[in-house]
Amino acid sequence: ETGVTQTPRHLVMGMTNKKSLKCEQHLGHNAMYWYKQSAKKPLELMFVYSLEERVENNSVPSRFSPECPNSSHLFLHLHTLQPEDSALYLCASSQDRNRGISGNTIYFGEGSWLTVV
Amino acid sequence: AQTVTQSQPEMSVQEAETVTLSCTYDTSESNYYLFWYKQPPSRQMILVIRQEAYKQQNATENRFSVNFQKAAKSFSLKISDSQLGDTAMYFCAFMYSGGGADGLTFGKGTHLIIQP
Repeated sequence: ETGVTQTPRHLVMGMTNKKSLKCEQHLGHNAMYWYKQSAKKPLELMFVYSLEERVENNSVPSRFSPECPNSSHLFLHLHTLQPEDSALYLCASSQDRNRGISGNTIYFGEGSWLTVV
Repeated sequence: AQTVTQSQPEMSVQEAETVTLSCTYDTSESNYYLFWYKQPPSRQMILVIRQEAYKQQNATENRFSVNFQKAAKSFSLKISDSQLGDTAMYFCAFMYSGGGADGLTFGKGTHLIIQP
C-alpha cells in the first residue's frame, strides 16, 4: 500500500464508450501524474498537475482528458479510444515540484488495466 | 531532453547470488535525481533506491546499493544475496531536480529472474 489508490483496476471499453479512471492519494502530496505503460515501450508521462494546475501535457491525444479537482484526486476521462490505447495506466503523486525543494520522490498506484475493444 | 538506457532486457541468476543491473543516462543538467523502481507481476511500481546527483556517496538500502558514476553518466544497481521475491521488472529513472514539469523519465526496464 503506497497511499495512492486507483480505480477501477480493470476496464474494458468499446471505442465509442466514455469512461473515467480515478486516482486518489492519501499522502498529502500536491503534485499528481498520469503515466501510460504499453508492452515493449518505456513508461510514458502523459499529464502532470502541480497544485491542481496542469503543467505538462506530453502531446497526448485529446481523446484523453485529465481532471484534477483537488490535490488528492486525479481523473483521466476517456472517450472514442482506439485499440492501441490499451495499456496499463499508472497514477502517481509527489510532494512539491517547486524549485529548490529537495527530496522529491514519486509514489505510484497499482495501475488501471485498460482494454479497448 | 533526458534519455535513460537499460541495455539488459533480461537477466537470470540463482538465489543468493549477487546481480548488477546497468543503467546509463544522458542529460545536460547538473542537478537531478536517479531512481531504481521495481515492478513485480502485480504491476505495483515500488521505489527501491534513490540517488541525488550532488551526493558523491553511493546510496544503499539493505541488500540494494548503487554505483553512481556521474562523469560517466552511469547508475547501476547491485542486489546482494538475491531472493525469489526480487523477481520483477526493474526500471531506472531520471528526474530533473530544478522543478518544472518533467516528472520521471524511465528506461525500458530489465526483467530480473531469480532462480531457486
